[in-house]
Amino acid sequence: GAVVSQHPSWVICKSGTSVKIECRSLDFQATTMFWYRQFPKQSLMLMATSNEGSKATYEQGVEKDKFLINHASLTLSTLTVTSAHPEDSSFYICSASGTPNSEQYFGPGTRLTVT
Amino acid sequence: GENVEQHPSTLSVQEGDSAVIKCTYSDSASNYFPWYKQELGKRPQLIIDIRSNVGEKKDQRIAVTLNKTAKHFSLHITETQPEDSAVYFCAASIGNFNKFYFGSGTKLNVKP
Repeated sequence: GAVVSQHPSWVICKSGTSVKIECRSLDFQATTMFWYRQFPKQSLMLMATSNEGSKATYEQGVEKDKFLINHASLTLSTLTVTSAHPEDSSFYICSASGTPNSEQYFGPGTRLTVT
Repeated sequence: GENVEQHPSTLSVQEGDSAVIKCTYSDSASNYFPWYKQELGKRPQLIIDIRSNVGEKKDQRIAVTLNKTAKHFSLHITETQPEDSAVYFCAASIGNFNKFYFGSGTKLNVKP
């Protein structure tokens, strides 16, 4: 199956700093990438949808100025958590899809801890 | 947006028994329903999916049924094995937007 990678796998940062997370589709072109947030023992919450070359679409309640998403190419999307606070600590997972209404391939996730 | 509810939150079965997980969705425009399995600390993996033009789909020990009228779909696992133990998520996708809205998850424990 298709492979999606994420980097870094875990990161610890200080409150007030910014953190960038990369999501790459390794063996296919992802027209759409998605960013999810997952709290311990909870479900995946869709944060935003990212289409290559256009602005991301954010779900209601997600601050677009805090969670900056860039989808610069068909194989790379980045999520930047700006001015991170402890409440931003979470597991962030990206997924990628090559065609509409089809399987999404998930990355391994990035665990962010803000101290 | 779409609202997906999933039950039960935890399910414990004896090895060899069947397990059923149920989901309901709110938006009648949803037309794609995948099921993902997530083991602890790992990424979700697709195990089966169904589209709205089909009522049932089976893949070996796993089957999914869809009732569009009632807006609910279910995952059926037969002859459960300890390696089936994981968290299972259902999801619904609307039209061509391809956005997945996930259920709250079911932790399945298969006792040997």
